[in-house]
Amino acid sequence: GAVVSQHPSWVICKSGTSVKIECRSLDFQATTMFWYRQFPKQSLMLMATSNEGSKATYEQGVEKDKFLINHASLTLSTLTVTSAHPEDSSFYICSARVSVGNEQFFGPGTRLTVL
Amino acid sequence: AQKITQTQPGMFVQEKEAVTLDCTYDTSDQSYGLFWYKQPSSGEMIFLIYQGSYDEQNATEGRYSLNFQKARKSANLVISASQLGDSAMYFCAMREGLSNTGKLIFGQGTTLQVKP
Repeated sequence: GAVVSQHPSWVICKSGTSVKIECRSLDFQATTMFWYRQFPKQSLMLMATSNEGSKATYEQGVEKDKFLINHASLTLSTLTVTSAHPEDSSFYICSARVSVGNEQFFGPGTRLTVL
Repeated sequence: AQKITQTQPGMFVQEKEAVTLDCTYDTSDQSYGLFWYKQPSSGEMIFLIYQGSYDEQNATEGRYSLNFQKARKSANLVISASQLGDSAMYFCAMREGLSNTGKLIFGQGTTLQVKP
């Protein structure tokens, strides 16, 4: 199957700093990528849909100024958590869809801990 | 709005036995896709099986089968011959529409533990 990578796999930062998470589709082009957030033992909550070359579409309740998404190329989307606070600590997972077929591939996730 | 419900927070099954994980959904769309994913403790999301709303046959993939009952709006996952490696969290998900552009929305998840 198609491979999606995320970097970093984990990050610890101080409150008030910004953190950038990269999501790459390694062997296919992804015009659409998705960003999810998952708290321990809970479901994946869709944060936003990232479209190459255009602005991301955010889900209701997700602050677009806090979670900046950039999808500059067909293989790379980035999520920047700005001015991170402890409540932003979570597992962030990106996902990409191939142009043909139903399957949606997920990255391995990034665990963010804000001190 | 679409909704996915998994009512079993946790399940136990004896190794080599079959287990059914429940999933019900709610949508006003006639066209939709249903998915099951497995998430082991490492956190990666592993695609297991897909069922389209117009598929007449229940989907099967190896030891996984999807018991699709459209009238009841249920899409239960059946795992046959459970293995210790099946212990993980399982998510049911739905995408409205049959194109590739719809959002994938997840249920609450079911934690499955396989006992030796």
